[in-house]
Amino acid sequence: AQTVTQSQPEMSVQEAETVTLSCTYDTSESDYYLFWYKQPPSRQMILVIRQEAYKQQNATENRFSVNFQKAAKSFSLKISDSQLGDAAMYFCAYLFGGSQGNLIFGKGTKLSVKP
Amino acid sequence: DAGVTQSPTHLIKTRGQHVTLRCSPISGHKSVSWYQQVLGQGPQFIFQYYEKEERGRGNFPDRFSARQFPNYSSELNVNALLLGDSALYLCASSFSAANEKLFFGSGTQLSVL
Repeated sequence: AQTVTQSQPEMSVQEAETVTLSCTYDTSESDYYLFWYKQPPSRQMILVIRQEAYKQQNATENRFSVNFQKAAKSFSLKISDSQLGDAAMYFCAYLFGGSQGNLIFGKGTKLSVKP
Repeated sequence: DAGVTQSPTHLIKTRGQHVTLRCSPISGHKSVSWYQQVLGQGPQFIFQYYEKEERGRGNFPDRFSARQFPNYSSELNVNALLLGDSALYLCASSFSAANEKLFFGSGTQLSVL
């Protein structure tokens, strides 16, 4: 069975600094997707970034980038130039790349941003 | 364009009661999935419906059921509520059944007393 592990329950970063959130996963599949979702106090899950396993190039979205290490089954999120609005719960998630599937989430990392 | 909408936003029930949660997907999306998020945990998959047919079911008891209507909106029903059913229930929609681009609603917070 696929699993997703986030080993950092809480992280803190100074405004304008860089922070990296860790995620590891376990799967025997070769075709899958990995995601980082942000959940602010409004509770809505907001997609931050997506990585397709077959792509070697790491995904980037403005200040957000990932370090995808397929062999090590590691998928970390780097947030550059942290802003107060980045404070939220961050969830790493896995999706099997078949014709249908459901997301498997980690337990989340609570990110605080200090002014 | 409207995003995924869920109703109600908050709900308080007592043990043994029944509850119905509603979800309207993004226009054009044919797949609706339901997730349960207990406090302090990541969301857990409950159901997926695509084109009005059940496409997947998570590890939840038969007290949980769902359906999808011809307009692709969906209902999640929970019978014989238990205290442990208290959670945030999230609905997500996608254009395809593969769910490679899921969009979430803001959820329904259910409290069972």
